[in-house]
Order: sequence, then structure tokens, then C-alpha cells
Amino acid sequence: SAVISQKPSRDICQRGTSLTIQCQVDSQVTMMFWYRQQPGQSLTLIATANQGSEATYESGFVIDKFPISRPNLTFSTLTVSNMSPEDSSIYLCSFMRGGNTKAFFGQGTRLTVV
Amino acid sequence: ILNVEQSPQSLHVQEGDSTNFTCSFPSSNFYALHWYRWETAKSPEALFVMTLNGDEKKKGRISATLNTKEGYSYLYIKGSQPEDSATYLCAFEGAQKLVFGQGTRLTINP
Repeated sequence: SAVISQKPSRDICQRGTSLTIQCQVDSQVTMMFWYRQQPGQSLTLIATANQGSEATYESGFVIDKFPISRPNLTFSTLTVSNMSPEDSSIYLCSFMRGGNTKAFFGQGTRLTVV
Repeated sequence: ILNVEQSPQSLHVQEGDSTNFTCSFPSSNFYALHWYRWETAKSPEALFVMTLNGDEKKKGRISATLNTKEGYSYLYIKGSQPEDSATYLCAFEGAQKLVFGQGTRLTINP
């Protein structure tokens, strides 16, 4: 089965700073997805990252706040910029091999902004 | 805005009892309905991906049904065990992305 390695697993950050989260997949995948789960909320899609093109952001999320890199078909990063306490969440990366197929997830990054 | 709702939000069940919970989703533009189990400090793990109206799937003591016409799915756990304690997420798949419900947090009391 496919494996996604996500790091860091958790971090406590000062407001105003930035954190970059990395995901490494053990095989090539076309699209990678970045999600956020704020306390008590649903897992919400931030953006879809395609290799070689700009990420596609969902409503309410912007590139300046959540820049994404996708340098190749096995790796992606999400940066949470200029953090505030409202950014305290679990962040997850994910991929699917195609429609109607299950999603694979990283282990998650639990971020606390103080 | 797509709305996927799960109920109840949390559930406490005695070990050995059976339980079920619900996911409701839009009945239009349906592609698939996913169920995941998310244990603390682990990755969400896929249980089922269901596509056909009337579909029933089973994995050990866990099963799920799907009604795409009325927009709901049920997840059943038979003879709950402590290792079933987790958050169960459903997700509506449409337009190549998943929209998740808030999850049902299940706690099994020994």
C-alpha cells in the first residue's frame, strides 16, 4: 500500500511566523490535496496541488496565506504564513489514484499558534 | 456550498453492543461516498468507497449502506470493541475532490 510521510507531526509556533509542512509519497501521484481541520470542524480542502502548475485554491483560501509547492510527482509542501491563533489546526496531505478510489493521508501536522 | 452532515457528533457505546451512524449528502452530481476511520495520532484510513445506489459493503464487523437517491449512507459496527474507538468520517466525492462531514466520534466503554 502507498505511504505518505508528513512532517512535522506537531509544532507550536509564535504568531506572525510561518511554518512549512512537507509530504513525501513513495510513488508518483498526479494530484495532491491539502486539508485543514480546525477544532470541532470538518476536514476542509485548502487546495489541490498539481506538478508543474499552480495550485488550485478553494473558496476562502489564498496563495499568499497558504503557498504550496509541487516540484515533482512525489513531493509537496504547504506553508502556513504569518500565523495567527486561528491557524491552530490539524493539517493533512492526501492523494487519490483516481476517481472512485480511496484517499491516502499523511499522519497529519498538529499546529498550535501562540 | 456542498453540505455533508454526520450524526451523531459523538457516541458512547458499551463494549459488545452494536451501533450505527448516519451521513447525509447532496443527491445531485454524485460520484462516490467514502467512509474513513481516524484514530488519534494516526492517518485517516479508508473503510469503504461506494458508488452505486443500494450498495452494501462489509469489512469484518463494519458494514455500510448507500442510498444515492435520498442522499444518505449508514455505517454499522457490530459487537463493538475498544479498538473501534475513533472518529468516523464520511466524504462526498464530486468533481475530483472530497467534501467531508464533521465526523462521528465513537468511544467504546469496556
